Amino acid sequence: GENVEQHPSTLSVQEGDSAVIKCTYSDSASNYFPWYKQELGKRPQLIIDIRSNVGEKKDQRIAVTLNKTAKHFSLHITETQPEDSAVYFCAARGEAGTALIFGKGTTLSVSS
Amino acid sequence: GAVVSQHPSWVICKSGTSVKIECRSLDFQATTMFWYRQFPKQSLMLMATSNEGSKATYEQGVEKDKFLINHASLTLSTLTVTSAHPEDSSFYICSARPPGPDEQYFGPGTRLTVT
Repeated sequence: GENVEQHPSTLSVQEGDSAVIKCTYSDSASNYFPWYKQELGKRPQLIIDIRSNVGEKKDQRIAVTLNKTAKHFSLHITETQPEDSAVYFCAARGEAGTALIFGKGTTLSVSS
Repeated sequence: GAVVSQHPSWVICKSGTSVKIECRSLDFQATTMFWYRQFPKQSLMLMATSNEGSKATYEQGVEKDKFLINHASLTLSTLTVTSAHPEDSSFYICSARPPGPDEQYFGPGTRLTVT
């Protein structure tokens, strides 16, 4: 089955800096790669996603890149703000109908 | 649109008792629902995939006789934790996916504490 590795586990940046989180996946059939932000005790919130037929997607300060050959994808947050502080999870899904498999998460801390 | 609810939001039970958690898709029909468990400071771990009208598919290491899943309708799946023990204390999150779109929608989670 699918296995998703995520790095780093913790990331501390200064307000205004950029943050990058990287994930790799094992199943070459995976075709959907979402990123979630989770605050303590809350459900994961989708912040951006990318499908296998696209190499990059951007939404304001957030962007995701996908390299299918290398089987890795990354989340880029620019101009970080203290409210970006949270746990971020990457995920991947293989065949249609199967569940999302999550990485172990990255705790992002943005200090002002 | 695409709202998933869970009930209860939190529950405390005594060791040895059973607890039922409900997951509902409020504005779409979900042929497939997923149950995840999240321990403190850890990731979401898939427990099982629930298909309407058929038996759930459990992930390796998840006891199907302990975590009973029923998906009796296109909008409701239930997870029953039987003979609960303190190590079952966790955050249980359900997720549902409507036909077609890739996105999975998550419920708000249920905090289970077994004393």
